[in-house]
Amino acid sequence: AQSVTQPDIHITVSEGASLELRCNYSYGATPYLFWYVQSPGQGLQLLLKYFSGDTLVQGIKGFEAEFKRSQSSFNLRKPSVHWSDAAEYFCAVGAVNQFYFGTGTSLTVIP
Amino acid sequence: NAGVTQTPKFRILKIGQSMTLQCTQDMNHNYMYWYRQDPGMGLKLIYYSVGAGITDKGEVPNGYNVSRSTTEDFPLRLELAAPSQTSVYFCASSRTGVSSYNSPLHFGNGTRLTVT
Repeated sequence: AQSVTQPDIHITVSEGASLELRCNYSYGATPYLFWYVQSPGQGLQLLLKYFSGDTLVQGIKGFEAEFKRSQSSFNLRKPSVHWSDAAEYFCAVGAVNQFYFGTGTSLTVIP
Repeated sequence: NAGVTQTPKFRILKIGQSMTLQCTQDMNHNYMYWYRQDPGMGLKLIYYSVGAGITDKGEVPNGYNVSRSTTEDFPLRLELAAPSQTSVYFCASSRTGVSSYNSPLHFGNGTRLTVT
C-alpha cells in the first residue's frame, strides 16, 4: 500500500539557517513525489515535484528536494530560511488516480 | 482566473443535519478531489472524479456522497452530520491524473466544518 511518513511533526529554525524536512514513502513502482506548502487558512500550494530523471529537483521560493530511491526518501531543503517560510509542509506520493499525503511538518522560524 | 472556489468558508452543523459543500473550478480540469484535513493526520481522500459523470471512493468515503454533473462542479454532501465529521475540507483539481508532469493539484482555500 502507498504511504508517506514525515517523521518530524514540528521544526523550529532561526532565520537564515538551513532547513531539511524529511519524507519517506512506500510505493511499489516508480513514485511521483511532491512537496506542498500550506499557509494558515489557505489551501496547499505546490513547491516542487519529481517524476523521473535528475534526482535533485528545484522548486519555487528557493526550495529543492532530493530523491533517493535506496532510502525511499524525498527530503526538502532550503539553504537559508526566511521568516515567510513559516508554514506547514506536506510531502505526497502520486499513485494511479490518487495522491497520498503525509501528516505534515509545521515549521516555525525564529527571528 | 479564480481557480478552485469553495463555499462556505465556515459552517456549524448540529448532529443529524445535512449540508452540501460546494466546489467549482474554472480551469477546465478533468480530475477533482475532496480531502479532509484533521490535526496531525494530514489529508485524507474522501472521493474523487476523473470526469463528468464519474466518481469513485477514496480512503474515507463513509458518511459522504458526491456527484459530478458538470466539469466545473464537484459538490460534497453530508447527509447525517456526526461529530467525527468535524474537519477542514479541501477541494482540489488537476488537468489530468497523477502521471502527468504538468498537472499538479490546485487547491481551494477550504471549508471549516464543526458538528456539535
